[in-house]
Amino acid sequence: GAGVSQSPSNKVTEKGKDVELRCDPISGHTALYWYRQSLGQGLEFLIYFQGNSAPDKSGLPSDRFSAERTGGSVSTLTIQRTQQEDSAVYLCASSSSSDGGNYEQYFGPGTRLTVT
Amino acid sequence: AQSVTQLDSQVPVFEEAPVELRCNYSSSVSVYLFWYVQYPNQGLQLLLKYLSGSTLVESINGFEAEFNKSQTSFHLRKPSVHISDTAEYFCAVKARGGYNKLIFGAGTRLAVHP
Repeated sequence: GAGVSQSPSNKVTEKGKDVELRCDPISGHTALYWYRQSLGQGLEFLIYFQGNSAPDKSGLPSDRFSAERTGGSVSTLTIQRTQQEDSAVYLCASSSSSDGGNYEQYFGPGTRLTVT
Repeated sequence: AQSVTQLDSQVPVFEEAPVELRCNYSSSVSVYLFWYVQYPNQGLQLLLKYLSGSTLVESINGFEAEFNKSQTSFHLRKPSVHISDTAEYFCAVKARGGYNKLIFGAGTRLAVHP
């Protein structure tokens, strides 16, 4: 079946512009996660959704970052007034809350963001 | 809070040699443990996990990892590597009972040479 998809695959933007990154989770997966993979920082958790609510936003690095999820499906991560340090690969993952405790997260291919 | 330390950023090894990728974690609560693999130009894939029971867990492609609670370690091993094992390997933890977020180590790049 279809996996987690993300768009765009690559995004180049100028410093100060806003960007939106999209994630389509696996159909039926109620949990959705955003992570960031950057040189020197490794893989960092950003935010976790259960349904449309975000009980854990502890990883968002600043108030320029926000995310929403609608219809318990698609999620959008928005970065306002981008800075060069925002350059990274943004990964989305989803999991089923009724997976019998497997806790496996399925990752998308990522969006590579470059801020010039 | 949890943290994960992968002691080696890069591990070069010859084909058919054994390899061990080290992972240590710190947590004030019990955790589940995972190894993810990222092949070149591909997404992250779950390699194996420890949830409970036997402390030795195995993957379908010959990797194994052993949970050692006293040493807070979850090292990944393979007795004989192949060129196709070249990838970046990430150790991760999730707090039991908490939200499902994963805390990752910095990753270890395994380079298998002929």
